[in-house]
Amino acid sequence: AQSVTQLDSQVPVFEEAPVELRCNYSSSVSVYLFWYVQYPNQGLQLLLKYLSGSTLVKGINGFEAEFNKSQTSFHLRKPSVHISDTAEYFCAVSDGGGSTLGRLYFGRGTQLTVWP
Amino acid sequence: DVKVTQSSRYLVKRTGEKVFLECVQDMDHENMFWYRQDPGLGLRLIYFSYDVKMKEKGDIPEGYSVSREKKERFSLILESASTNQTSMYLCASSLGGQGDEKLFFGSGTQLSVL
Repeated sequence: AQSVTQLDSQVPVFEEAPVELRCNYSSSVSVYLFWYVQYPNQGLQLLLKYLSGSTLVKGINGFEAEFNKSQTSFHLRKPSVHISDTAEYFCAVSDGGGSTLGRLYFGRGTQLTVWP
Repeated sequence: DVKVTQSSRYLVKRTGEKVFLECVQDMDHENMFWYRQDPGLGLRLIYFSYDVKMKEKGDIPEGYSVSREKKERFSLILESASTNQTSMYLCASSLGGQGDEKLFFGSGTQLSVL
């Protein structure tokens, strides 16, 4: 089974500052990587995903993430955050071998709070 | 737009009651999942299903069962609710494939067991 570590449970930042949310996963032959966002009182929605190809992945709302195989990391970044980015962010990994029928392993989440 | 609907947003039950949480998706998805979400613990998989009448245990199946009689509906059952099952329950679905498909989530059911 895969495991996912989100190193920071809470990240407070000021508006317009850059932010990085860190994610590491247990190594495997091949994986698919995802970031999901959960706004208050809502379900999760996909922010971006890495399947293969370019290691820099761009998602919605100006977020991007970089896949680093040697460090087994998939950190999420945004150069300038807005108050509306306040939400909980979850990193997730799927075993790309197809044996797990699409199940994802989630990290514990990082609460991003943007202050004015 | 695609939709995963959970029947209740908030639910309050007594210890020992049998509880049904219902989830319906309108996207003809093969896979359906039940997660519980607790502060500081993230999402933990309870059960999932990749076809009608099929089910697989996730990481924390104890105290739960599921039913998938129709492709669009996946029910989570608490046979005898206990206070440690107070949690947010999230249903999700995906098209299928090899784990590269995104999950679509419902808005969640906040269950309180008193």
